[in-house]
Amino acid sequence: AQKVTQAQTEISVVEKEDVTLDCVYETRDTTYYLFWYKQPPSGELVFLIRRNSFDEQNEISGRYSWNFQKSTSSFNFTITASQVVDSAVYFCALSEAINFGNEKLTFGTGTRLTIIP
Amino acid sequence: DTGVSQDPRHKITKRGQNVTFRCDPISEHNRLYWYRQTLGQGPEFLTYFQNEAQLEKSRLLSDRFSAERPKGSFSTLEIQRTEQGDSAMYLCASSQRAGKDGYTFGSGTRLTVV
Repeated sequence: AQKVTQAQTEISVVEKEDVTLDCVYETRDTTYYLFWYKQPPSGELVFLIRRNSFDEQNEISGRYSWNFQKSTSSFNFTITASQVVDSAVYFCALSEAINFGNEKLTFGTGTRLTIIP
Repeated sequence: DTGVSQDPRHKITKRGQNVTFRCDPISEHNRLYWYRQTLGQGPEFLTYFQNEAQLEKSRLLSDRFSAERPKGSFSTLEIQRTEQGDSAMYLCASSQRAGKDGYTFGSGTRLTVV
């Protein structure tokens, strides 16, 4: 069974500080995809990044960066120079390809990030 | 393309009543998913459609729940004889190939059963 663990339930940092959100996953699949989503108070899940299991290159997008390490089954997310607009719940998720093309996502429990102005 | 639309955004119902939610996916997406999210938790998979065929159902989907996707376009999720434990956010997502292209989620329908 697949599992995603986000051990940090809540994090608060002062604006402009850097913050890293941790994600550890478990899967028996050799081919899988990892995702990060942001959920602001409005409730919509906003896609941030997708990474496949064969691509361990780290990625940077503006103030966001992701560190994928297969050896430790981790896919951590760092926000540099945090801003108040970054306040949200962040979810890490893992997709498995099971029956009939169903690529359902297994989500972690989320990390609530609060940026203090 | 306006993304994935869900209606209504909020629903308050009395225990025992039936409710129906609607999801309009992105038009070219053939895969449609329903998820349920309770307070403080991540979304949990409920069911999956490929075109009009419902191909997977989670054990979370009791026999009070039914989902349809007629003609492979919009989808409805109906809950019969609602219980307080059904209170949650119901999220719809669509994709072509989720692993390749990712999902697009709607804003969800928040159900409160009183």
